[in-house]
Order: sequence, then C-alpha cells, then structure tokens
Amino acid sequence: AQSVTQLDSQVPVFEEAPVELRCNYSSSVSVYLFWYVQYPNQGLQLLLKYLSGSTLVESINGFEAEFNKSQTSFHLRKPSVHISDTAEYFCAVSPGGYQKVTFGTGTKLQVIP
Amino acid sequence: KAGVTQTPRYLIKTRGQQVTLSCSPISGHRSVSWYQQTPGQGLQFLFEYFSETQRNKGNFPGRFSGRQFSNSRSEMNVSTLELGDSALYLCASTHPGQGSGELFFGEGSRLTVL
Repeated sequence: AQSVTQLDSQVPVFEEAPVELRCNYSSSVSVYLFWYVQYPNQGLQLLLKYLSGSTLVESINGFEAEFNKSQTSFHLRKPSVHISDTAEYFCAVSPGGYQKVTFGTGTKLQVIP
Repeated sequence: KAGVTQTPRYLIKTRGQQVTLSCSPISGHRSVSWYQQTPGQGLQFLFEYFSETQRNKGNFPGRFSGRQFSNSRSEMNVSTLELGDSALYLCASTHPGQGSGELFFGEGSRLTVL
C-alpha cells in the first residue's frame, strides 16, 4: 500500500515570492509521482509527473519538482508565484499498471497581491 | 479531442433518495475511476472500471455502486442518500498502455444532500 503526506494544508505567499509545497510518500514498491492542480469549481489537471530519468521535472508554467528517493519526497517549487497560481495542489503516487492512484490531502496555495 | 465529460455538474437531493452520475471518458480511454472529494476527507477512491469490469474498489459502503458500458462510459449510483454524501464526485480516465497511472479528470458532479 502507498500513502502520501502533504503536511501543509494552506500556504499563503506574496505575489512574486518563491514557494515550496511539500510532499512525502511511503511505498514498498517503486512508484510514479504526480502533482495535480485544482482551480475553483474545476476538476484536477496534471501539473507535472516523474516517471523515470532525471529527478528534476518541470511544468510549462514555471513549477518544478524534484524526486528524492532517499527522503521519499517530491516537493513542488516555483521561484516566483503569480495571482493565477492560487489553487489547490495535490501530490499523488501510483505503482503503475492498474493499481489505484493515492492522493495527498492537498495544499491550498493562496497568492496575496 | 474532447476531455472527460461528467453530468450533471450540480444536483440537489434529499436524504433517502438515490442519484446516478454519468462519466464519458476521453475517446480511446478504457479505464474509468471515480473519486469522492470532501473538505474533510480529501480525495477518496471509490472504484475503477476497465472493459466493463470493476478492477479496484475503495472502502465505501454498498450504497455506492458503479458500472461501465461497452463504449467505456461509466455511471455511479448512490442509494439511500445521507447528508455525508454531499461532495464533489470526480471521474477520471486513463489512456490504454499508459502504465504510469496518469489520470485525466472531468470537472466533477457536485452533489448536495439536504
């Protein structure tokens, strides 16, 4: 079984400041790692994913996440946030195949003008 | 290419009633998963269907059921509604051969039980 921990339920940050959203996971098998974003009144959208290879993955809108196997972490970072980044962010893990995806409890990012 | 479509988007029911939610996956996707999202519990996995067969099931009571049709469209049903069933119900589909488990979500059906 897998589990995902997002310790911060809410993260307020001023516009143009950097932000880090933390994600730790536990699993007895290798997993794929994901960050999804949910804007108000919408479903979840894939932000970025780690499947294999380089441990640093990037999204098209400036977010990046680094897979750290020894610390079982997949923290999400952005060097300068924008108002439009205000949303809820979910970390997720999957063993692959048809095994179910496990989500963290989410972190609400509030960007303050 | 159309995304995952869920209907209805919003609905209000009263306790004891039943409800059916529909999900049309992305064309070519054969796996459909359902999640319940509430402020207190976050995203909880309900079940997953592939080729009309339920492959995985979460820890929900038998009042929650689902099915998948031959065209991969899926429905979920909740009978004898309780106040605690108020939630956003999300459907997600997966591309065949996509071994990572990457999910493509619909916008959800928001159920309010009065």
